[in-house]
Amino acid sequence: KQEVTQIPAALSVPEGENLVLNCSFTDSAIYNLQWFRQDPGKGLTSLLLIQSSQREQTSGRLNASLDKSSGRSTLYIAASQPGDSATYLCAVNRDDKIIFGKGTRLHILP
Amino acid sequence: EADIYQTPRYLVIGTGKKITLECSQTMGHDKMYWYQQDPGMELHLIHYSYGVNSTEKGDLSSESTVSRIRTEHFPLTLESARPSHTSQYLCASSEWKQGAFGTDTQYFGPGTRLTVL
Repeated sequence: KQEVTQIPAALSVPEGENLVLNCSFTDSAIYNLQWFRQDPGKGLTSLLLIQSSQREQTSGRLNASLDKSSGRSTLYIAASQPGDSATYLCAVNRDDKIIFGKGTRLHILP
Repeated sequence: EADIYQTPRYLVIGTGKKITLECSQTMGHDKMYWYQQDPGMELHLIHYSYGVNSTEKGDLSSESTVSRIRTEHFPLTLESARPSHTSQYLCASSEWKQGAFGTDTQYFGPGTRLTVL
């Protein structure tokens, strides 16, 4: 059974720092991995989608990597800003089964 | 970017009432999903659909039912609400292409926060 784990569960860093969020999954047979952002009381916003054949995707200050063989993905946020404060979720997709992690609650200190 | 709408955004209702949570998307996406999320917990897939007249159950057992009569509309119904149904319900859609696995970015609605007293 696929399990998705995100570490750390919560993170507070000063504005301007670079940071890394981690996601691990137990079954490497996935179609894709997606990173989302969720603001309190709201839906999810897709940040990056990495297909199983890809190693990384970049969008602005965000870079996500995927190592399928080891069951790991990282989300790198450069030059963090207070507006980056949110919960970041990763999700893996296989056979229409989309499994989410519990997320990392990120707080950027001004 | 997909436009996907959910109504109501917040609903407080008494036990035993029948409720329908609405979800609509304007992007012509074939695949739609319903997730349930408790505070601080992960999302769990409860229903999904490949297109009109297609409905499937997700990983998490749910007493709710769904229908897909039109491409853009995927309502979720609870026949008799109970306090255990209190949760946030999130609807999503993606542009699913048969055989094109791994390419479907999901777009989410704002969610409906349901409280059953």
